[in-house]
Amino acid sequence: AQSVSQHNHHVILSEAASLELGCNYSYGGTVNLFWYVQYPGQHLQLLLKYFSGDPLVKGIKGFEAEFIKSKFSFNLRKPSVQWSDTAEYFCAVNAGTGRRALTFGSGTRLQVQP
Amino acid sequence: SAVISQKPSRDICQRGTSLTIQCQVDSQVTMMFWYRQQPGQSLTLIATANQGSEATYESGFVIDKFPISRPNLTFSTLTVSNLSPEDSSIYLCSVEAPNNEQFFGPGTRLTVL
Repeated sequence: AQSVSQHNHHVILSEAASLELGCNYSYGGTVNLFWYVQYPGQHLQLLLKYFSGDPLVKGIKGFEAEFIKSKFSFNLRKPSVQWSDTAEYFCAVNAGTGRRALTFGSGTRLQVQP
Repeated sequence: SAVISQKPSRDICQRGTSLTIQCQVDSQVTMMFWYRQQPGQSLTLIATANQGSEATYESGFVIDKFPISRPNLTFSTLTVSNLSPEDSSIYLCSVEAPNNEQFFGPGTRLTVL
């Protein structure tokens, strides 16, 4: 069975600080990896995804993530956060073949202070 | 991308009643999923709903409590039956697009009194 761990439950940063949110998954086969964001009062939006190829993927709003297969990790990064990045961030995974439903991490609440 | 709508957006229900949630997609999709997001928690898969076959439920979720219909490739319903306060959650449907991306509806916020 797949599992996803997000180690940072609540992160508080000042504007312009750099961000890195950790995500580790447990699954022996090929995986697809996703980061979703949920802004206050809004629905889930896809930030970025990794299916194959270049392990460094770029998403919307200046976010990027790096897939490190040997570490089973897919950490999310942003060089300089803004107040508008305040949201809940979820890492998710599904099997590259077979089970298509997503397994989500517990989420990280990011609070950016102006 | 797929545009997903859900009805109702929120509801307050009495204990013992049922609520049926509708999910409409603007394009034909094979895979649809229903998730639950309990207050302050992450998303948990309830079931996978494929057109033309019975829904596949995750451990801890049963058809009698969460019956699902999938009459065509653009529509599905989830019913939450015999409601109790523990069912208070946000219920979300999602679909997998042909490019393997998954999109989520806005959710239905259910409060059970």
